[in-house]
Amino acid sequence: QLQLQESGPGLVKPSETLSLTCSVSGGSISGSNYYWGWIRQPPGKELEWIGSIYYSGATYYNPPLKSRATISVDTSKNQFSLTVSSVTAADTAVYYCARLEGNSGHWDYWGQGMLVTVAS
Amino acid sequence: QSVLTQPPSVSAAPGQKVTISCSGSRSNIGNVDVSWYQHLPGTPPKLLIYDNNKRPSGIPDRFSGSKSGTSATLVITGLQTGDEADYYCETWDSSLSAWVFGGGTKVTVL
Repeated sequence: QLQLQESGPGLVKPSETLSLTCSVSGGSISGSNYYWGWIRQPPGKELEWIGSIYYSGATYYNPPLKSRATISVDTSKNQFSLTVSSVTAADTAVYYCARLEGNSGHWDYWGQGMLVTVAS
Repeated sequence: QSVLTQPPSVSAAPGQKVTISCSGSRSNIGNVDVSWYQHLPGTPPKLLIYDNNKRPSGIPDRFSGSKSGTSATLVITGLQTGDEADYYCETWDSSLSAWVFGGGTKVTVL
């Protein structure tokens, strides 16, 4: 059974960089037809796609976040990571990593989610 | 404000049926398939429906989906207390070049 687990600091200061890692177990991150992505949910708001990456390193970002978000992959560790620079309180959210099935475009496996709070 | 519009809430008694709509446009629902997710507090979203009307293994047939034009619908029959959750539609929007989620619908079992 595929499992994803987010890790990283739960508290980040304003203007600093948020960094999270998603560890994948029970399957290879290098499988074809699957993308790996980050989705967040600010308190009381809807889900928001941040971006996705293919195991080859090809990345795709939600345009409003493209200038601040970076997603990378480490196939040797079966992990992928997210950084968001210059964070503000608006970046406070539960961050999920998830797998995207590339053919039909649905998110079939999700991490448990990690609350990241931006505060001084 | 999401490009996919869902009603904020729906409710029904146990055993009854609820219908959740997801209204979009030609740049999203009108051209690509829709997925639906169930989101219980403190847990990650769970895939309920993909490709408009397909259920992943383990999802009961009480959950069904459909799509017509620029709208999609999720129907839950035989409502149970465990179905109380937020439900989200999701698809690709070609104008935004982004995966987009609806605003979510809270299902309450009366």
